[in-house]
Amino acid sequence: DIEMTQSPSSLSASVGDRVTVTCRASQPISIYLNWYQHKLGEAPKLLIYSASRPQSGVPSRFSGSGSGTEFTLTISSLQTEDVATYYCQQSYRDPGTFGQGTKVEIK
Amino acid sequence: QVQLVQSGAEVKKPGASVKVSCKASGYNYTNLVIHWVRQAPGQRLEWMGWINLGNDKTKYSEKFQDRVSVTRETSATTAHLVLNSLRSEDTGVYYCAKDLLVGTTTLDFWGQGTLVTVSS
Repeated sequence: DIEMTQSPSSLSASVGDRVTVTCRASQPISIYLNWYQHKLGEAPKLLIYSASRPQSGVPSRFSGSGSGTEFTLTISSLQTEDVATYYCQQSYRDPGTFGQGTKVEIK
Repeated sequence: QVQLVQSGAEVKKPGASVKVSCKASGYNYTNLVIHWVRQAPGQRLEWMGWINLGNDKTKYSEKFQDRVSVTRETSATTAHLVLNSLRSEDTGVYYCAKDLLVGTTTLDFWGQGTLVTVSS
């Protein structure tokens, strides 16, 4: 299976800060990388697919970049409603493996 | 708008089986592939398998293929996940989800989740 590793595991930032989460794949996956937002008690929500394509309805402050083995999710201006755990997932090869998650909190 | 509504929480003993259901609405079922993903407490999300509601084809993760079965109802709007030989490590929240890009694990609509607790 392709192993996905995220960093950091958690972060605390102030409202309005720029936040960056990194995801690394154990082998090249082209741009087959998705990002999900998972709030406590809710279902995961697709934010970004194909590394950089925003899902319909996702606020423009969320963006993704990268290809191959290194990917980044950026929140340009952190809002209180962005408190959640963020997961990357590769869809290059089954099983579609997920990273361990990055918990984002407000300082 | 797609809606996926799952069955309620389950409590099972080790060695038993559990069945979790996922009813889909608002989408043409002939093009609908339902995936199952679970999350154990403190663990990452884990993809288990999928079923194509239009043609009944299935695919499973190698980790689960000896214990899992995904089926559909004849109405083809409901998918069922059956997990056999339950152990305590199977405790977690089980989600059904629809894929955005057919044949991939890019999942754009999710059910609300079903808590399965395995305890003696």
